[in-house]
Amino acid sequence: AQSVTQLDSQVPVFEEAPVELRCNYSSSVSVYLFWYVQYPNQGLQLLLKYLSGSTLVESINGFEAEFNKSQTSFHLRKPSVHISDTAEYFCAVTPLRGASKIIFGSGTRLSIRP
Amino acid sequence: DVKVTQSSRYLVKRTGEKVFLECVQDMDHENMFWYRQDPGLGLRLIYFSYDVKMKEKGDIPEGYSVSREKKERFSLILESASTNQTSMYLCASSFEGFNEQYFGPGTRLTVT
Repeated sequence: AQSVTQLDSQVPVFEEAPVELRCNYSSSVSVYLFWYVQYPNQGLQLLLKYLSGSTLVESINGFEAEFNKSQTSFHLRKPSVHISDTAEYFCAVTPLRGASKIIFGSGTRLSIRP
Repeated sequence: DVKVTQSSRYLVKRTGEKVFLECVQDMDHENMFWYRQDPGLGLRLIYFSYDVKMKEKGDIPEGYSVSREKKERFSLILESASTNQTSMYLCASSFEGFNEQYFGPGTRLTVT
């Protein structure tokens, strides 16, 4: 069985400050890892994913996440946030093989202060 | 661009009513999903379908059923709505399993 923990339900930061949104998972099998973003009044969009290869993955809008197998983490980071990054962010995992489910974390609401 | 549309953004129904939530995708995806989203709980999978007329239970199927008669359309049915089914319902589709899902804008259902 898999589980996902997003330790922070809300993260307030000032514009242009760095941010880290934490995600830890537990699984007895290898997994794929995802970060989805939900802007206000919209559905979720895939932000980035780790399937295999380089443990550092990047999105087109400056976010990055690093897969750390030993710490079972997949934290999301951005060195300088913008007002437009205000959204809720969800971490998710699905098993590599026989993928018949996906587990989402409870979400982290990122609020940017000018 | 993949587009997933849901029939309503907001819906108000009475307890005991039969409720249909419709979802349509335009990218010929094999897989479609229904989730409910509740504050502090994230997204929970209700049902998914990997082919026409095929369906699989997710984590919380009780009180729900689904229908997939055509590849592009996946319907969620609440046979007898109850107040604890008040929630945001999100539909999604994907080309390959649970990888890279594309979500609709959601339907906020209130059952009174």
